[in-house]
Amino acid sequence: GNSVTQMEGPVTLSEEAFLTINCTYTATGYPSLFWYVQYPGEGLQLLLKATKADDKGSNKGFEATYRKETTSFHLEKGSVQVSDSAVYFCALSNTGNQFYFGTGTSLTVIP
Amino acid sequence: DTGVSQNPRHKITKRGQNVTFRCDPISEHNRLYWYRQTLGQGPEFLTYFQNEAQLEKSRLLSDRFSAERPKGSFSTLEIQRTEQGDSAMYLCASSLTGFNNLGEQYFGPGTRLTVT
Repeated sequence: GNSVTQMEGPVTLSEEAFLTINCTYTATGYPSLFWYVQYPGEGLQLLLKATKADDKGSNKGFEATYRKETTSFHLEKGSVQVSDSAVYFCALSNTGNQFYFGTGTSLTVIP
Repeated sequence: DTGVSQNPRHKITKRGQNVTFRCDPISEHNRLYWYRQTLGQGPEFLTYFQNEAQLEKSRLLSDRFSAERPKGSFSTLEIQRTEQGDSAMYLCASSLTGFNNLGEQYFGPGTRLTVT
């Protein structure tokens, strides 16, 4: 079946620290992989995506590389800001019909 | 366009009552998805529409749940004979998706349902 496992939170970092949020997946076929972000009081927004192995998605300083050999799609940012405080969800879709989300990782960045 | 909207934002109902939620997607989007999210969990897929056709439903969607998208624009999700376990945030998302093109999903703010 299809599933996503995310690093449990919450995560608290100081401003300018390096961020990694781990995500591994189980899927049939060759899924597309996504990171969504939910800022406080807002709906989910697509942060970045990758559609095939070795693709790197990037946006707003965040990056994630689709690693087929380790079935992973870890989210990284070199220097986090207070404004990055949010809940981050890893997700996959095989066909664009069904999307499978992880449980979310809450990030708090303190000044 | 102001994005995906959902109404109501909050709904409190008594067990056994029926409730209906509405989702207005971004106007040119052909796909519309419904998800359920409980506290501490990610969104869980319920169903999706391609224009007015409901193409897929989760096996988790019981017979008490029904969704429509009559003219391929807005959609409604109805829950009959609500149970306390139905308490959750119900999310709607829309996308412009073509053949072999996985369109970005835009999410609404959700409807929070509390069943007492």
